[in-house]
Amino acid sequence: QITLKESGPTLVKPTQTLTLTCTFSGFSLSTSGVGVGWIRQPPGKALEWLALIYWNDDKRYSPSLKTKLTITTDTSKEEVVLTVTNMDPVDTATYFCAHVSGFSSSYKHFDYWGQGTLVTVSS
Amino acid sequence: SYVLTQPPSVSVAPGKTARITCGGNNVGSKSVHWYQQTPGQAPLLVIYYDSDRPSGIPERFSGSNSGNTATLTISRVEAGDEADYYCQVWEDSSTVVFGGGTKLTVL
Repeated sequence: QITLKESGPTLVKPTQTLTLTCTFSGFSLSTSGVGVGWIRQPPGKALEWLALIYWNDDKRYSPSLKTKLTITTDTSKEEVVLTVTNMDPVDTATYFCAHVSGFSSSYKHFDYWGQGTLVTVSS
Repeated sequence: SYVLTQPPSVSVAPGKTARITCGGNNVGSKSVHWYQQTPGQAPLLVIYYDSDRPSGIPERFSGSNSGNTATLTISRVEAGDEADYYCQVWEDSSTVVFGGGTKLTVL
């Protein structure tokens, strides 16, 4: 049974760096083909993909946000961490992590999602 | 950058068929995935690889993809199908793209 859960601060100040952790179980990020992605959703708005890390440490970032984002995994590969620098009120959103599945890069999809965590950016 | 265009809203009466479109340049050459999201919940994958259903998703949900339009079809719509629906593709092998979402209202 695959589960994912996001954790991190619920409130950050403008210009601060946000660090979110995705803790997962039921799969290994050491298994070929496996990945974990981050997606966010501002209140009342659409989903926006942020970043993705694969089993081989290959990383992908949203082109429009790549200068703000860093995705990493811990040495045990049981957590995926996303950092977002220079937070702004427009970054207020629910942040989701999700398991990535699919037989090749251009076919991958998000088949299991965490519950999401709402992060508010305000002074 | 690649853009996926969805109608903001679709309305359908219970028992009828709902069709939600996802438009993009030559989207038929890409693999389209669809997600259902109810208020306050995480998205749920309902269709992948254009037309495959994950385990547990009713057969009432189907998908197609050709030319510049992918379509999610929900047959015999129920009140519980009322949700936001998002399509997703890869622009290339590096960039994930989501559509703007469609709110399905069951009348």
